[in-house]
Amino acid sequence: DSGVTQTPKHLITATGQRVTLRCSPRSGDLSVYWYQQSLDQGLQFLIQYYNGEERAKGNILERFSAQQFPDLHSELNLSSLELGDSALYFCASSPQAAAETQYFGPGTRLLVL
Amino acid sequence: KNEVEQSPQNLTAQEGEFITINCSYSVGISALHWLQQHPGGGIVSLFMLSSGKKKHGRLIATINIQEKHSSLHITASHPRDSAVYICAVSRPGGSQGNLIFGKGTKLSVKP
Repeated sequence: DSGVTQTPKHLITATGQRVTLRCSPRSGDLSVYWYQQSLDQGLQFLIQYYNGEERAKGNILERFSAQQFPDLHSELNLSSLELGDSALYFCASSPQAAAETQYFGPGTRLLVL
Repeated sequence: KNEVEQSPQNLTAQEGEFITINCSYSVGISALHWLQQHPGGGIVSLFMLSSGKKKHGRLIATINIQEKHSSLHITASHPRDSAVYICAVSRPGGSQGNLIFGKGTKLSVKP
């Protein structure tokens, strides 16, 4: 158990809908990262938050947004969903914002029908 | 061309064999990570290294910064080692935290 929790575990929704994925980092970790894993693209970095502020942005679509709250949990919002958004979404956390070991949550499996 | 390349893509071994998975990268890095993804999907960080060699149990990771190459070795492999092994790198500078991933090596160890 990494100490990182993600909810929900599974999500099935329809095209055009909006969903929110939630992540709680390990106790004491200030950085939260969001990653997308699809069959064709593999793992890709989406966005990083550090202590409530956006720190780095990767291949995140404009339809996707995220935030980190004062209690350090984070939410990833996916809107106007398309079939191609079906993927595993992982959240990871680390103590700081440096090159350090990241602790991954169990992932949210999103299926868009 | 991907910034992080792994080989082989797939690997089948017999229990007890010595296994090597290779990772090459084409960008400057501040650290290299080896991750293990279980058949159920969960990801565990195995190693983070920026030079030399690290060992944990039957796993050994090495990195050659000059050659931009890293290897993950598994000694006395066991069926429970069956998983996807993913190499990832942290870039230097302000976005050190975010990882760039290789496509993974799927390892299957037969009893």
